[in-house]
Amino acid sequence: AQSVSQHNHHVILSEAASLELGCNYSYGGTVNLFWYVQYPGQHLQLLLKYFSGDPLVKGIKGFEAEFIKSKFSFNLRKPSVQWSDTAEYFCAVNPVNRDDKIIFGKGTRLHILP
Amino acid sequence: EAGVAQSPRYKIIEKRQSVAFWCNPISGHATLYWYQQILGQGPKLLIQFQNNGVVDDSQLPKDRFSAERLKGVDSTLKIQPAKLEDSAVYLCASSLEVGWDNEQFFGPGTRLTVL
Repeated sequence: AQSVSQHNHHVILSEAASLELGCNYSYGGTVNLFWYVQYPGQHLQLLLKYFSGDPLVKGIKGFEAEFIKSKFSFNLRKPSVQWSDTAEYFCAVNPVNRDDKIIFGKGTRLHILP
Repeated sequence: EAGVAQSPRYKIIEKRQSVAFWCNPISGHATLYWYQQILGQGPKLLIQFQNNGVVDDSQLPKDRFSAERLKGVDSTLKIQPAKLEDSAVYLCASSLEVGWDNEQFFGPGTRLTVL
């Protein structure tokens, strides 16, 4: 069965530090990829997505993610985090032409120290 | 623009009881999704509607869960009877059309506790 792995369950960083959250998936075919974010007390919302084209995708609030097909990865990055980035981040994968579902990872809880 | 509305926000029931959740999607959104998010896990898709028709319910435990979207707008998700392992947040989402390239907008969720 397809799966999505987020290696870091809880990350603590200081403001201005660089961020990279890992996401790997287990499906060899074409995929659509997503990062969702849930800020404290708010709804889950889309941060960025990749469907095709440039594997480096830019999202809201200075986030970006790079799709590396050979590594089955879609890591999320931000060069300098802010206290307001404290949230839970979910990677999600849609295996195209295979059940056509969306599969979420378990999430990474990010805590930014002011 | 109003977002996805869900009610109730919290529900506590005993096992073997029944419970129903309600979702009102964003106006004009044809596609509606119900997810189950167990503590420490990511959301798991239960069912997907396109207007009032079911697109995918392969992960819905049909022996106890049911969902409907009779007029292609509001939707209800029912659990009958509930088990302890049904304790979770139930999320509703909607998108303009079917297809994962359409952004999903999520509601606040209903937190269910089964005692």
